[in-house]
Amino acid sequence: GIQVEQSPPDLILQEGANSTLRCNFSDSVNNLQWFHQNPWGQLINLFYIPSGTKQNGRLSATTVATERYSLLYISSSQTTDSGVYFCAVAGTGFQKLVFGTGTRLLVSP
Amino acid sequence: GAVVSQHPSWVICKSGTSVKIECRSLDFQATTMFWYRQFPKQSLMLMATSNEGSKATYEQGVEKDKFLINHASLTLSTLTVTSAHPEDSSFYICSASRGDIYNEQFFGPGTRLTVL
Repeated sequence: GIQVEQSPPDLILQEGANSTLRCNFSDSVNNLQWFHQNPWGQLINLFYIPSGTKQNGRLSATTVATERYSLLYISSSQTTDSGVYFCAVAGTGFQKLVFGTGTRLLVSP
Repeated sequence: GAVVSQHPSWVICKSGTSVKIECRSLDFQATTMFWYRQFPKQSLMLMATSNEGSKATYEQGVEKDKFLINHASLTLSTLTVTSAHPEDSSFYICSASRGDIYNEQFFGPGTRLTVL
């Protein structure tokens, strides 16, 4: 099955710093989603982005499908950005999502 | 739009009892719902995929008789953990897809199950 790797596994930032999270996947995809899991466990949909670039406030994402990777950019980080960021993909012809191992982000004041 | 709810948020039960968890899509019809399990500090693992009116498709290694899934309507799926044991303690999360060309999944808030 499709493999998903995320890097870095852990990231510590000072408030106001920028960061880039990476997601590599091993095969063609028809769905790629980025999520933020908050301390209560809720998964917040950040982006649905199987290809191209999207922006939403301080967050943006780019997926280069031909090279099988996606990047999530967080600018001017805030303490509320802390949590775990997951990338999940569905291979072409499949509905089910395969999750990466996540990036644990801690933003300190 | 695209809100998914789960009930209960948390449940504590005795070993040997059964627990039912509900997953509802509140503002859309979900042709497909998914059930995941997450252990502490780990990623989400898909347990099963269910389509309205048909039997669920379970992932390899997931016991069908232990984790009963019913998707009786386009807005409701249930997961029943039968004869629960302490090793079934986990965070269970459902998601729902509108079944359009995008296949985007929307997640519920999760249910924390503790089996004593």
